[in-house]
Amino acid sequence: QVQLQQSGAELMKPGASVKISCKATGYTFSSYWIEWVKQRPGHGLEWIGEILPGSGSTNYNEKFKGKATFTADTSSNTAYMQLSSLTSEDSAVYYCARRTLYWGQGTSVTVSS
Amino acid sequence: EILLTQSPAIIAASPGEKVTITCSASSSVSYMNWYQQKPGSSPKIWIYGISNLASGVPARFSGSGSGTSFSFTINSMEAEDVATYYCQQRSSYPLTFGAGTKLELK
Repeated sequence: QVQLQQSGAELMKPGASVKISCKATGYTFSSYWIEWVKQRPGHGLEWIGEILPGSGSTNYNEKFKGKATFTADTSSNTAYMQLSSLTSEDSAVYYCARRTLYWGQGTSVTVSS
Repeated sequence: EILLTQSPAIIAASPGEKVTITCSASSSVSYMNWYQQKPGSSPKIWIYGISNLASGVPARFSGSGSGTSFSFTINSMEAEDVATYYCQQRSSYPLTFGAGTKLELK
């Protein structure tokens, strides 16, 4: 069955970068877009963007350009999102999802000095 | 960017009561999804393509609408329906979500 397994919680210092992983199993990884979504308490859900692993094509929400970078490794069926120059505004739970239907369990990122 | 305005933000319903949540879009949308999220869990697709129930979703749920006005209805509230519900438009980039409606049991 389709599963998306995300990496564990991260505690980061302001100004640092973090790379979150999303390992896919149960389907042809290269053929389906992987989306990334941010959730902060009181701020609902925000769509960060998406990547098509087979081609590396990406679509970013303008708001997250320069903040988020998507990559994918088809040899390990893993998608990645790197967040740079972290601030307290980046403290959130980040989800990967296979276009609507399948979601990872979420990765909590806390930015604190 | 298409803004989605959901209302109400919070609603409390008694078992058996009908519940309706609305989602108003700032521009016309042709593809609307609804998600259910319970505390500590990932969102789950609940209704896709405006009115199609996701697999396993009880028939008491329904979705409707067109253009800029959409609704999500529970015909008869049950305790297990307590959750936050989000609308999402998938018609144009960036994809956007409504702010969510928290459904509580009265």
